[in-house]
Amino acid sequence: NAGVTQTPKFQVLKTGQSMTLQCAQDMNHEYMSWYRQDPGMGLRLIHYSVGAGITDQGEVPNGYNVSRSTTEDFPLRLLSAAPSQTSVYFCASSHQTVGEQYFGPGTRLTVT
Amino acid sequence: AQTVTQSQPEMSVQEAETVTLSCTYDTSENNYYLFWYKQPPSRQMILVIRQEAYKQQNATENRFSVNFQKAAKSFSLKISDSQLGDTAMYFCAFRPQGGSEKLVFGKGMKLTVNP
Repeated sequence: NAGVTQTPKFQVLKTGQSMTLQCAQDMNHEYMSWYRQDPGMGLRLIHYSVGAGITDQGEVPNGYNVSRSTTEDFPLRLLSAAPSQTSVYFCASSHQTVGEQYFGPGTRLTVT
Repeated sequence: AQTVTQSQPEMSVQEAETVTLSCTYDTSENNYYLFWYKQPPSRQMILVIRQEAYKQQNATENRFSVNFQKAAKSFSLKISDSQLGDTAMYFCAFRPQGGSEKLVFGKGMKLTVNP
């Protein structure tokens, strides 16, 4: 049981490049979310999904896309990376009837 | 909109002592969950303790306990017998019961346990 996995752990991009952050969970959780963590800001919700085929925007969705084709996977796409997207990104999942979310190990992204 | 406030950005405590981390929140919901997460230097987010708002009894997990005051919208974390491994960022978080899975986090507090 791997829990929530994220790849890559570290990534450096140039401004304007695109990439996809991968997230997978093996706990059959309905809910999955993406957060970004910036110093002094806590974690802010980017996008979330309540089940396969259903996604919605969080607090800071601009510049990011998501899709949820399967229960297990919830990739986050950066369409055209900007220095303001330099951050640590966390994926999380939870079961509908249980409150807490389980987090992946995070991806540190630097955009130059 | 719900908000979570952690007013103390940083604290330090001596090993084996007790420390209390404060958290207040604002919501119009009646049913919700509250959490404390720990983030050590490894960056991993680790759930420390959770509290359901409908439960009057304060949650405890070994050396960790909460003081949940629903009317005051206060949710503090007490760490007893502090250990060096407790050094971490601590985040208070709120989630309404039912509906979406939106977790709202406070900005965090850095706790340092000194030997």
